[in-house]
Amino acid sequence: DIVMTQSPDSLAVSLGERATINCKSSQSVLYSSNNKNYLAWYQQRPGQPPKLLIYWASTRESGVPARFTGSGSGTDFTLTISSLQVEDVAVYYCQQYYGSPLTFGGGTKVEI
Amino acid sequence: QLQLQESGPGLVKPSETLSLTCNVSGGSISTSNYYWGWFRQSPGKGLDWIGTIFYTGTTSYNPSLKSRVTISVDTSKNQFSLKLSSVTAADTAVYYCARRHSSGWIDNWGQGTLVTVSS
Repeated sequence: DIVMTQSPDSLAVSLGERATINCKSSQSVLYSSNNKNYLAWYQQRPGQPPKLLIYWASTRESGVPARFTGSGSGTDFTLTISSLQVEDVAVYYCQQYYGSPLTFGGGTKVEI
Repeated sequence: QLQLQESGPGLVKPSETLSLTCNVSGGSISTSNYYWGWFRQSPGKGLDWIGTIFYTGTTSYNPSLKSRVTISVDTSKNQFSLKLSSVTAADTAVYYCARRHSSGWIDNWGQGTLVTVSS
């Protein structure tokens, strides 16, 4: 199995400030034949199901605010929230879809 | 707008079989671009993939649960189902049904249903 490790476990950010979440995979999720990273990011607000934010490591899902940016390649990835809003308080998960089984990171809790 | 809704018992006894159904509305389950899957989240924990099914009936299961899991699809009812046998307290979790893009990300989730395993 590909193990996904997120850091930090939690972070507190002031409103309007930047939040940075890291995700590391135990093996590369970059598929050489198409040069795509098989990695997604999700947001889970309290009491809600996860919501897709980013796929292909950096492609924003339709309707997701531009303040959410995904970056990285190979085994190291980052989700950046450029200017934290109240509604961004949530747990964020990375997920790889390069191999089976699908696996998720342990989550990063973002608080104000 | 696509909606997925889980249904089934919220309480299951140890050693029995957990059974859930996911009703899909606002779109057809018989589409070649998507798979349909089950995930779970233990209280205060992260997300685990249970398994996935294509509308033709082709399945893929997490090896950690494969011996106990069966996922089936009923295209006439636009729904798919999960059976997890021989449950223990460790299977207590919120169970989500979801739509998985053919490439692998999950773009639609049900609201989730809490299943507690207890006598």
